Amino acid sequence: EAQVTQNPRYLITVTGKKLTVTCSQNMNHEYMSWYRQDPGLGLRQIYYSMNVEVTDKGDVPEGYKVSRKEKRNFPLILESPSPNQTSLYFCASRRGLQNTGELFFGEGSRLTVL
Amino acid sequence: RKEVEQDPGPFNVPEGATVAFNCTYSNSASQSFFWYRQDCRKEPKLLMSVYSSGNEDGRFTAQLNRASQYISLLIRDSKLSDSATYLCVVNRRGSSGTYKYIFGTGTRLKVLA
Repeated sequence: EAQVTQNPRYLITVTGKKLTVTCSQNMNHEYMSWYRQDPGLGLRQIYYSMNVEVTDKGDVPEGYKVSRKEKRNFPLILESPSPNQTSLYFCASRRGLQNTGELFFGEGSRLTVL
Repeated sequence: RKEVEQDPGPFNVPEGATVAFNCTYSNSASQSFFWYRQDCRKEPKLLMSVYSSGNEDGRFTAQLNRASQYISLLIRDSKLSDSATYLCVVNRRGSSGTYKYIFGTGTRLKVLA
């Protein structure tokens, strides 16, 4: 089954404790991206990757890091989480690098930072 | 002002009703347009792409008006299962030259029995 898998789905952590949210897709998609969704603000892009070893900042990259060592994986790293990073996070992927095309989303990771 | 604006709703409609949502976008360089559906606490899923000529998929019809920079979604014969949040999405070239998706905050629909 074609899918984007995120882990963990739910996480409660404390300020400053490094964490990683994993994302893996089995569709051989070149493009992958991370979003956060907050009430009243919609989905905002954190980072994206056009291919292996190619990553770039989205609209809200502060406090986050990513890596793309393999095509299928695109982990999101919070080196020192803060309460304002409490949010619902989605990983997404898309086939090809064209401007059209469906984004496939993971099921989401709900993060709470105390 | 947000780049993609939607009425947040909620739109409460009875089963069988016809309901329409509008979405406006401010960047005239926007090139591709979509409607995504998001169920409560779930991931967004593509409902349909929106073409200049308008397109229909069963009970759903999408229209694009480039001159006025708005997109619409019409749902006919509403079902209880249509209850969800509908996200308007546009795609345009960003400052780095790559294309990016801009999401509206969504319009919430509740279909009542």
